[in-house]
Order: sequence, then structure tokens, then C-alpha cells
Amino acid sequence: EAGVTQFPSHSVIEKGQTVTLRCDPISGHDNLYWYRRVMGKEIKFLLHFVKESKQDESGMPNNRFLAERTGGTYSTLKVQPAELEDSGVYFCASGGGREAFFGQGTRLTVV
Amino acid sequence: AQSVTQPDIHITVSEGASLELRCNYSYGATPYLFWYVQSPGQGLQLLLKYFSGDTLVQGIKGFEAEFKRSQSSFNLRKPSVHWSDAAEYFCAVGRTGSARQLTFGSGTQLTVLP
Repeated sequence: EAGVTQFPSHSVIEKGQTVTLRCDPISGHDNLYWYRRVMGKEIKFLLHFVKESKQDESGMPNNRFLAERTGGTYSTLKVQPAELEDSGVYFCASGGGREAFFGQGTRLTVV
Repeated sequence: AQSVTQPDIHITVSEGASLELRCNYSYGATPYLFWYVQSPGQGLQLLLKYFSGDTLVQGIKGFEAEFKRSQSSFNLRKPSVHWSDAAEYFCAVGRTGSARQLTFGSGTQLTVLP
């Protein structure tokens, strides 16, 4: 069974540009989570989808971040326009039972 | 609000030595507790978890952790460290009803000396 897959693994963009991160959860998992780790800090929750609906987006830092989950399958996280402080590793996780299964993360560098 | 503290940012041990990584949490109810590991270039892998019952839990790769309610701790242990254990370790707490929505500690980087 495939795990949680994230694309791309790395992205380097200039300040002001737009970047879209993608997450493919484990098949059949209704719950999908986005987390972020900024350099040197802890991993922080961004938002939670149940199927295609946003259950909790309390961790989204500002309105430059937009998350979607098409048809309750894969999810995208768009940052527009990107700022320097958005650099970090973005993790996606999907939930089955009481556990979260994480992807390998997308390392975003804004220069 | 829940929080997790990992007081050791970086730990260095020799291969074959024992290991204990500390984790303290703050949560108003019985927490769901997790340890994850991130090896270089890899994602977060679940080592072990505690939901209820026996306070000593066994995980993968020879790791174990003990839940101590009186100390609000969930320390990770391994009796003999292997070079492949070098990685970053994260303790996390999940709130009741949403075990998968996690609050993480800041991580402990483990270096293993030959």
C-alpha cells in the first residue's frame, strides 16, 4: 500500500512568487492534515480536512495560504505571494484510526 | 492549551550505549502520546504510541517509552543504540477526540559516535 506522497520534495522560489504543494494521502483516509516546520522551530499544525471540508484551519498563518482538497482525495497548499518567513518544511499527514501517517515533506526555500 | 517540551536539543551517544530522550507534556486530560523519528531525507516515521493501558509501550527498532502521569512525561528509551539511529526525534501529543491533530515538541537531534 502506498504511503502519503508529497510533491515536490524541494522547491526554491523567489519572494513574491507563487508555489503550490501537493499531497496524496493514503487511499481511503478521510482525514488529511498539513503541518509546517520553520527552521529551528517545532512542527506546527496548519489545518485539517475531513474529506473535502476544512474541519480546522486555526493554524493557517495568514491569508496568503490557501488549502484545497479536491473531491476528498489529494490536497494542495498554495502560498501566494511567498515571503521569506514561509521557508521551511511542509508535512502532510493522513489519518486512519487513531494514527497519523506522514509524508516525506516538501522543503520550501524562499529567496 | 496543550504543549510538549523536549529539553534536550542535541544528544550525542556512543554506539552500543543506552539512550533516553526526555519529553514532558502539558494537557488537561489523558493525552494520546507519540514518538516520531525523522532520518535524513526521510519523512516522519511513527516509533510508538500510547493511548491507554500499560504505561510501558514497545515500538519499532527496539525503542520503548514509559508514560508517567505524575511527572507528565513520556520518555523514549533504547538499551543499545545503533549508528542507524542517528536522526531527529519528536515527541507529540494528540488531544482526545482528535489523536491525529498533533502538538509537537521542538525535537531532539541524536548523534551516534562509532
